[in-house]
Amino acid sequence: DVKVTQSSRYLVKRTGEKVFLECVQDMDHENMFWYRQDPGLGLRLIYFSYDVKMKEKGDIPEGYSVSREKKERFSLILESASTNQTSMYLCASSWGQGYGYTFGSGTRLTVV
Amino acid sequence: EDQVTQSPEALRLQEGESSSLNCSYTVSGLRGLFWYRQDPGKGPEFLFTLYSAGEEKEKERLKATLTKKESFLHITAPKPEDSATYLCAVQALIGSGNTGKLIFGQGTTLQVKP
Repeated sequence: DVKVTQSSRYLVKRTGEKVFLECVQDMDHENMFWYRQDPGLGLRLIYFSYDVKMKEKGDIPEGYSVSREKKERFSLILESASTNQTSMYLCASSWGQGYGYTFGSGTRLTVV
Repeated sequence: EDQVTQSPEALRLQEGESSSLNCSYTVSGLRGLFWYRQDPGKGPEFLFTLYSAGEEKEKERLKATLTKKESFLHITAPKPEDSATYLCAVQALIGSGNTGKLIFGQGTTLQVKP
């Protein structure tokens, strides 16, 4: 069964901490995405990657960075966590044009 | 600007009461329209892809249709287990590049009461 795996379902971090969210896919997809989802705001794209070591900013990249050293792994980094980064974070991967996403199960991050 | 609008925001149905969810879109050329189901606290789960006006797809009690301006997700005789948030997303010919980036609507939260 093909899947996208996010390393943590729930995380609680302190303000100012550096936070790593990991995502691994086993479908050999070229493209990977990080979204955050907040009530009333829907899904917002943070960053995406179309190849190893390639990345592009999404709609809300401020306060985040990403890393893609291997095709199957895409990491989201919160450089210095803040309370307004408390959210549900969703990773997704895709073949590209004409194809939809496969999503991970999400990481609920709380910054205190 | 590419945009997706879903309505209603929330829908309450009695078990067996059929209804439809709407997804209106404005894109610079449609490559594909996607429907997802999302249960609370989980990631979205793929339901359907539609590529051209007039296309229809069915799965159990769900049927998705597509016109040039909107898509409908019809739910026939729903059951409580159909309760979820349903997300619509479009992929534009221009702007998605090779990544196939999707533009999502806000979702419709469906509650089906027994």
